[in-house]
Amino acid sequence: AQTVTQSQPEMSVQEAETVTLSCTYDTSESDYYLFWYKQPPSRQMILVIRQEAYKQQNATENRFSVNFQKAAKSFSLKISDSQLGDAAMYFCAYRSRNSGGSNYKLTFGKGTLLTVNP
Amino acid sequence: DVKVTQSSRYLVKRTGEKVFLECVQDMDHENMFWYRQDPGLGLRLIYFSYDVKMKEKGDIPEGYSVSREKKERFSLILESASTNQTSMYLCASSDDRGTGNTIYFGEGSWLTVV
Repeated sequence: AQTVTQSQPEMSVQEAETVTLSCTYDTSESDYYLFWYKQPPSRQMILVIRQEAYKQQNATENRFSVNFQKAAKSFSLKISDSQLGDAAMYFCAYRSRNSGGSNYKLTFGKGTLLTVNP
Repeated sequence: DVKVTQSSRYLVKRTGEKVFLECVQDMDHENMFWYRQDPGLGLRLIYFSYDVKMKEKGDIPEGYSVSREKKERFSLILESASTNQTSMYLCASSDDRGTGNTIYFGEGSWLTVV
């Protein structure tokens, strides 16, 4: 079974600075998807960024980028020029690329609570 | 825009009551999920469904059942609510077409069992 580990329960960053959230995962599969989701106080889960394991290029979405190290099974999220609105719980998640049954589910880490200080 | 709607945001139920949490998606997605979220434990999968009338147990199915009679609707049922089922419940949906395998979430249902 796949597992996702977020080793930082809480992080803080100054506004306009850069912060990196860590995520490691364990899988025996070679093809899969990785995601970062943001959950603000409203509790609505919002997709931040996704990475397909077969792509070597790291995904980027505006101020958000990932460092995907497949051999090390590491998938960190970098937030540049942090803004007050970035304050939220961030979840790393894994999904198999195989089709059928349980392969469709997302496995989540326990989350990292990010605080942004003005 | 993708829309996953959970009909009840806040519920208070008594121990032993039968509780229904309803979820509807408007994207014609094949896959639907129920997760439970607790502080320090992240999101844990209760049940999921990859087709109408099909369901599979997730990681913590005990005390729960589900129903999917129509493609757009996925219900979570607590047959006899207990206080340890006080939690936030998140419904989600996805498919493998177009949306790039992304899972979309509802806003969550806060359930308190007293």
